[in-house]
Amino acid sequence: AQTVTQSQPEMSVQEAETVTLSCTYDTSESDYYLFWYKQPPSRQMILVIRQEAYKQQNATENRFSVNFQKAAKSFSLKISDSQLGDAAMYFCAYRIFQGAQKLVFGQGTRLTINP
Amino acid sequence: DSGVTQTPKHLITATGQRVTLRCSPRSGDLSVYWYQQSLDQGLQFLIQYYNGEERAKGNILERFSAQQFPDLHSELNLSSLELGDSALYFCASNPDPRNTEAFFGQGTRLTVV
Repeated sequence: AQTVTQSQPEMSVQEAETVTLSCTYDTSESDYYLFWYKQPPSRQMILVIRQEAYKQQNATENRFSVNFQKAAKSFSLKISDSQLGDAAMYFCAYRIFQGAQKLVFGQGTRLTINP
Repeated sequence: DSGVTQTPKHLITATGQRVTLRCSPRSGDLSVYWYQQSLDQGLQFLIQYYNGEERAKGNILERFSAQQFPDLHSELNLSSLELGDSALYFCASNPDPRNTEAFFGQGTRLTVV
């Protein structure tokens, strides 16, 4: 069974600095997708960034980038120039390429931004 | 705003009762997913429907059931409620299961007392 592990229940960072959130996963599949979702206090689940496993290039979305290490089954999220609005729960998620399209989520990391 | 609408936003009910949670997917989306977010279990996939038919099942209790109607809205029915069913229930949708991105509603907060 696929599992996703986020080993950091909480993280904090000073505004304008960089923070990295960790995620590891376990799968026997070769084709899959990985995601980072943000859940602010409003509870809305917002997609931050997506990575296809077959792509070697790490995904980037503005201040958000990932470090995808397929062999190590690691998928970390780097937030640069942290802003107060980045404060939220962050969830790493996995989905296989074909078959059941369910998302498998990690337990989440609560990110606090210190002004 | 994701375009996925869930009602009600909050629900408080007693143990043993039955409730229905409603989800209206984004216009044109055929696939609907239900997830449960609880403090002890985290975010868990419950069930998926595609164009009215059940597509995949996750950790959904026998006391829970769901359906997707011809107008594509979906309902999640929770019966014989227990304290442990208190959670945030999310609906998500996308046009087709092959789409990588699923758009989430704001969830229904269920409190069982």
